Amino acid sequence: AQSVSQHNHHVILSEAASLELGCNYSYGGTVNLFWYVQYPGQHLQLLLKYFSGDPLVKGIKGFEAEFIKSKFSFNLRKPSVQWSDTAEYFCAVTSFSGGYNKLIFGAGTRLAVHP
Amino acid sequence: GAGVSQSPSNKVTEKGKDVELRCDPISGHTALYWYRQSLGQGLEFLIYFQGNSAPDKSGLPSDRFSAERTGGSVSTLTIQRTQQEDSAVYLCASSLEFFRQGNTGELFFGEGSRLTVL
Repeated sequence: AQSVSQHNHHVILSEAASLELGCNYSYGGTVNLFWYVQYPGQHLQLLLKYFSGDPLVKGIKGFEAEFIKSKFSFNLRKPSVQWSDTAEYFCAVTSFSGGYNKLIFGAGTRLAVHP
Repeated sequence: GAGVSQSPSNKVTEKGKDVELRCDPISGHTALYWYRQSLGQGLEFLIYFQGNSAPDKSGLPSDRFSAERTGGSVSTLTIQRTQQEDSAVYLCASSLEFFRQGNTGELFFGEGSRLTVL
């Protein structure tokens, strides 16, 4: 069965620090990859996605992620975090089964950014 | 509507009672998904609808859980004889089109229904 692993459950950073959140998935075929973000008290929203082409994907708010097929990874990065980036981040991968896709999510990483 | 709407936003119930959670997807979205979010567990897939049919019910935890969708729009998730382990946030998401391989099919999420079973 397809699965998604996020290595860090909690990350604490100071403003202006660099961020990298790890995500690995298990699936040998073609994948679509996503990062969703959930700000405190808000609903999940799409941060960025990869489905083909340039493996370096840029999303909203200065986030980017790199798809490395050989490592089955899709790590999320941001060069300089802000207090407003405090949120929970979910990596997700498509699972193609029965003629349609469904998103399989990782357990999430809670990021706290201190001023 | 402008976004995915879920109700109630909070529900506290006693063990053994039945609950119904409602999802109103974005107008025109044919695909609808239910997920469950438990503390530290990420998002657990429950069921998927394409139109009114549910080709994948594999994530429903037990036969106490059921869901239906009518008119290709509103969906209801019903939990019978609730147990304490059912406490979680139940999230609904919708997508513009049939989420098939090759289409990215972004999911739009509602704010969830927080269920607490005492």
